[in-house]
Amino acid sequence: AQSVTQLGSHVSVSEGALVLLRCNYSSSVPPYLFWYVQYPNQGLQLLLKYTSAATLVKGINDFEAEFKKSETSFHLTKPSAHMSDAAEYFCAVKISSGKLIFGQGTELSVKP
Amino acid sequence: DADVTQTPRNRITKTGKRIMLECSQTKGHDRMYWYRQDPGLGLRLIYYSFDVKDINKGEISDGYSVSRQAQAKFSLSLESAIPNQTALYFCATSGTEKTYEQYFGPGTRLTVT
Repeated sequence: AQSVTQLGSHVSVSEGALVLLRCNYSSSVPPYLFWYVQYPNQGLQLLLKYTSAATLVKGINDFEAEFKKSETSFHLTKPSAHMSDAAEYFCAVKISSGKLIFGQGTELSVKP
Repeated sequence: DADVTQTPRNRITKTGKRIMLECSQTKGHDRMYWYRQDPGLGLRLIYYSFDVKDINKGEISDGYSVSRQAQAKFSLSLESAIPNQTALYFCATSGTEKTYEQYFGPGTRLTVT
């Protein structure tokens, strides 16, 4: 069965530090992978997506993610955290029926 | 104007009451979805619809029903609300593009007392 696992329900970084949010997936077919962000009291907004083109995907607000098939990973990074990055982040994989399966989410806190 | 809207945004109701959450979209998408979000569990799919005549159960459909009144409208009903249905509910849409990217509404926070 296809699944998504996000390592760490809470991640805290200092402003200006590297952000690394981890996502591993299980898929029997070449995956389509997504990272979404949820700001407080808002819906989910797409950050970036992998669609079997380039393995390094760039998204909005300087986020990027690298698809590593050998590690079944799609970790999200940002070189320098900003206070406005504080939010909950969800990794998701498209399954064969066209639906998405979401990870449990990682809450990112940014300390001044 | 938002592409995916949900009403109400917040609702408090009592155990046993019937409640309907509504979703409308202006994206022209055929596919619509209802999710619930609980802390530590991510988003779980309740129901989905790939067109007006196509309704499918998701992983947690018990206690819920849906209606697809038109391409643009997809409603979620709780026939007899119970406290463990207290959650944040999201509607989403997607087109038929290859990547199946989903677009989310702002959510409805439902509290069942």
